[in-house]
Order: sequence, then structure tokens, then C-alpha cells
Amino acid sequence: AQKVTQAQTEISVVEKEDVTLDCVYETRDTTYYLFWYKQPPSGELVFLIRRNSFDEQNEISGRYSWNFQKSTSSFNFTITASQVVDSAVYFCALSEAGNNAGKSTFGDGTTLTVKP
Amino acid sequence: DAGVIQSPRHEVTEMGQEVTLRCKPISGHDYLFWYRQTMMRGLELLIYFNNNVPIDDSGMPEDRFSAKMPNASFSTLKIQPSEPRDSAVYFCASSFGLAVSSYNEQFFGPGTRLTVL
Repeated sequence: AQKVTQAQTEISVVEKEDVTLDCVYETRDTTYYLFWYKQPPSGELVFLIRRNSFDEQNEISGRYSWNFQKSTSSFNFTITASQVVDSAVYFCALSEAGNNAGKSTFGDGTTLTVKP
Repeated sequence: DAGVIQSPRHEVTEMGQEVTLRCKPISGHDYLFWYRQTMMRGLELLIYFNNNVPIDDSGMPEDRFSAKMPNASFSTLKIQPSEPRDSAVYFCASSFGLAVSSYNEQFFGPGTRLTVL
């Protein structure tokens, strides 16, 4: 069965600090997809990034970067020079390509608070 | 393009009443998901459809909950009778299936905040 663990329930940082959100996953499939979503205080979940299991290349998008390591089954998310607007709940999710294709398993989320 | 549309955005009802939540997925998406989010239980998948057919309803809490997708552009989640413990934010999401595209991120609606008194 697939499982996503976000061990950090809450993180609080001061603006301009770097912060890393951890995500560890479990799956038996060799083909799978990993995602990060952001849920700001307004409530709507917003897709941030998708990675497939064959692409371990790290990605950078502005102040956001993602580190995918199959060897440790981790897909961590780093925000550089955090800003107050980054305050949100961040969810990591896993989708398998097998019988449950299309369905994502979400972690419990990490609440990030960035203080001015 | 319009995103996933949900209605109503807020619903306050009394215990025992029937509640119907509605969702219009993004045009062309063939997967539709219903989630429930509470502080205690986090984000829970209730049911999902592929091409209007329910695939997995194992997350539906009990028989009081039912979901339908009569066509590709509309789905409902019904609670009858409603109870205070059903109070939550209910999200609808849609996505492309893997058979169509390699991108299957889910696009979420704004949610319906349900309060059962």
C-alpha cells in the first residue's frame, strides 16, 4: 500500500530564512508520481510540482526547489528566503500508475508559518 | 479557463437535513475526486470517478453519504441525514488520467464549508 509521511506537523520561521519541508513515501510500484500542493489561508489547494519516478533531477522554480531521492524515498521541498506569503499548509502526495492510477495519497500536511 | 467549480461555497444546516454538494470539473478531465478536510482527520479521499464511473468509494464514511456523476461535467455528493460530525470542508478535484497524459496533478475547487448544527 502507498503511504506518505510528512513528519513535520508545524514549522515556524522568520522571514528570509530558508526552510525545508520533508516528505517520505512508501510504494511497491516502480512507476509513480509525486506532488506538492499548497493550501494558503484562503483554503484552496494549489498544485506546485509533479515528479515521476524516473526523473530524479532536482528542480528549482524561483525561491522553490525540490530534492527527489529514490534511495531514501524522499521528495523534500525547500523554500529559500521565505516570505510571509509562503505561510500555508503544504501537502506531499503520491500517485501510483497501477490499479489505482489517478488516485493520490496525501500526507497529513505541514503547516508553515513565516513571521515578519 | 474556468477551474473546478463547487457550490454552494458555504452551507449551514440542521442535523437530520439532507445536504447536496455540487461540482463541475474542468472540461476534458476524466477523473473526479471528492475529499473531506477536518482538523482532526486531515484531508480524506471519499470517492473518485473515472469517466463518470465510481472507481473507489472505500473512503465514504457510511451509508448516509452517496455520490453520483451523471455526466462528465457534473457530480454531486449527498449526505442524508446530516449529522454535526459531518461538519467539514468538502473539496472536489479533477484531473487527466494517465492514459491520456503524463500529467495527472489534481485541480481543486474552492471547497464547500459545511456546518451541521
